[in-house]
Amino acid sequence: GAVVSQHPSRVICKSGTSVKIECRSLDFQATTMFWYRQFPKQSLMLMATSNEGSKATYEQGVEKDKFLINHASLTLSTLTVTSAHPEDSSFYICSARDVQALAGGSPQETQYFGPGTRLLVL
Amino acid sequence: GQNIDQPTEMTATEGAIVQINCTYQTSGFNGLFWYQQHAGEAPTFLSYNVLDGLEEKGRFSSFLSRSKGYSYLLLKELQMKDSASYLCAVMDSNYQLIWGAGTKLIIKP
Repeated sequence: GAVVSQHPSRVICKSGTSVKIECRSLDFQATTMFWYRQFPKQSLMLMATSNEGSKATYEQGVEKDKFLINHASLTLSTLTVTSAHPEDSSFYICSARDVQALAGGSPQETQYFGPGTRLLVL
Repeated sequence: GQNIDQPTEMTATEGAIVQINCTYQTSGFNGLFWYQQHAGEAPTFLSYNVLDGLEEKGRFSSFLSRSKGYSYLLLKELQMKDSASYLCAVMDSNYQLIWGAGTKLIIKP
């Protein structure tokens, strides 16, 4: 399957600092990438949809000025957590949409996930 | 509203077969996905169904009935490494994934 990388895998920072997380699709171009947050023992929560060359679409309750998303190329999206606080500590996961044209049928869309970034804000 | 239901937890024995069910009600349908997620890791893609019927991939199979809003993931010859959460997700008319809460599968020797 397709490969999505995320960097860093783990980050510890002080309260008030900003943290940037990168998400890259390594072997396909992704016009759309997604950013999720997952708290322990809970399901994935979609934070925002990142579209290459345009502004991200944020889910209700997600502060766009706090979670800055930039999708500058077809293989890279970045999430910056600005002025991080301890309550922002979480597992952040990106995914990239891959669309495959199938012979004689509808295109198949699949989301491939990055390995995740564990953020701890002290 | 949109809703995905799957059991919270299931237990099975190593070497056995287990079926994890998923029912859904969504605004539009552009496919159903199953993902596996081990504790502390990101989900990994298992299967995709957009047409009715059974898709088989090795020890894992996934079934879909669009008329019933129902899918299942079937795991055969269970191994200890299959202990994980299994997430059902439906792609709606806006091509957004709607996620179930996941089924935690516990495999016992």
